Amino acid sequence: EAGVTQFPSHSVIEKGQTVTLRCDPISGHDNLYWYRRVMGKEIKFLLHFVKESKQDESGMPNNRFLAERTGGTYSTLKVQPAELEDSGVYFCASSIQGYTDTQYFGPGTRLTVL
Amino acid sequence: QKEVEQNSGPLSVPEGAIASLNCTYSDRVSQSFFWYRQYSGKSPELIMSIYSNGDKEDGRFTAQLNKASQYVSLLIRDSQPSDSATYLCAVNVPNSGGYQKVTFGTGTKLQVIP
Repeated sequence: EAGVTQFPSHSVIEKGQTVTLRCDPISGHDNLYWYRRVMGKEIKFLLHFVKESKQDESGMPNNRFLAERTGGTYSTLKVQPAELEDSGVYFCASSIQGYTDTQYFGPGTRLTVL
Repeated sequence: QKEVEQNSGPLSVPEGAIASLNCTYSDRVSQSFFWYRQYSGKSPELIMSIYSNGDKEDGRFTAQLNKASQYVSLLIRDSQPSDSATYLCAVNVPNSGGYQKVTFGTGTKLQVIP
């Protein structure tokens, strides 16, 4: 069974540019989560999808961040325009419907904003 | 006060010794507790989960939970160099939507010396 995949693995962009991160959860997992780890800090929750609906987006830093999950399959996280403080590793995780405890993490996307 | 607190380490133990990792959390309504292992540059991997007070053993790993003291620990017996990694404590906190949100500590770096 394929795990959670994320693309790209690494992205380097300049301040003010736009970047879109993609996450493909484990097939059949209705719950999809985005997290971010800024260097030296803990992994922070960004938001949670149940199928295509945003169940909790309390961790989204500001309106420069837009997450979508059309059709309840893969998800994208767009940062527009990117700022220096957006640099970090963005993790995606998924879990099966009705069992939100065990989350399986993807390899992460390392975003560097110059 | 951080929601989940861990000593960042590094914690150095000789090969074959017991490594003891500790974590405290602030939210008394937390219901589920997890230990993730993260190798450098890799994604977090769930190694233990515990839901009730007491000990839970899985191979060389033992998780201990004390809800009254809001304390979670992970013991690694017969530590091996391959156990060298950062260990993340994570706590599920229920949200208003009936789901749970995972909050992570900053992690403790463990070094097992051959």
